[in-house]
Amino acid sequence: DAGVTQSPTHLIKTRGQQVTLRCSPKSGHDTVSWYQQALGQGPQFIFQYYEEEERQRGNFPDRFSGHQFPNYSSELNVNALLLGDSALYLCASSLAPGGGYGYTFGSGTRLTVV
Amino acid sequence: TQLLEQSPQFLSIQEGENLTVYCNSSSVFSSLQWYRQEPGEGPVLLVTVVTGGEVKKLKRLTFQFGDARKDSSLHITAAQPGDTGLYLCAGSYGAGGKLIFGQGTELSVKP
Repeated sequence: DAGVTQSPTHLIKTRGQQVTLRCSPKSGHDTVSWYQQALGQGPQFIFQYYEEEERQRGNFPDRFSGHQFPNYSSELNVNALLLGDSALYLCASSLAPGGGYGYTFGSGTRLTVV
Repeated sequence: TQLLEQSPQFLSIQEGENLTVYCNSSSVFSSLQWYRQEPGEGPVLLVTVVTGGEVKKLKRLTFQFGDARKDSSLHITAAQPGDTGLYLCAGSYGAGGKLIFGQGTELSVKP
């Protein structure tokens, strides 16, 4: 049973560019959350998608946007990249928002902005 | 601002020693989760505690949720090199809600 799959695993972008990260949730999960983890820090919540809609959002600027597709997979888009956006981006899947406390994380995408 | 503070941030011990990691907040959480993360990987869920005063054991790991549901601790008995990693606590205000993470405790267990 496949867990959460994220792509790409590593990415290098130039300041000002745009990036799209992808996530396929664990089989049976329909909710996807995105987190940003800076080096040496705990993950910070970006937003959560359920039924193709953004349900919750953390304290991130509008440059961060997302999408969820009918097959529950999700994308995270970041526009106008800043050096400070360099981080590990984690995707976590779960059952419907009220479906319990079980979260499964992917291995993440390491984004480096130069 | 909702904060979860973990202590210590770094811990380097010898194989066989015991250790405790603490997770504290001024907020009341409906649940507290503990994760372990290895380099280049995502966090892996170890346990979820939901009831104040709850104690859960996972082999050599003991997790406790404070009576007021504001704090938690992780105790490892007879640590082994395989326990090395980043330990994260995360609070939630409801099932399926966003997780608020502490900054993590980097544990190194030397043989």
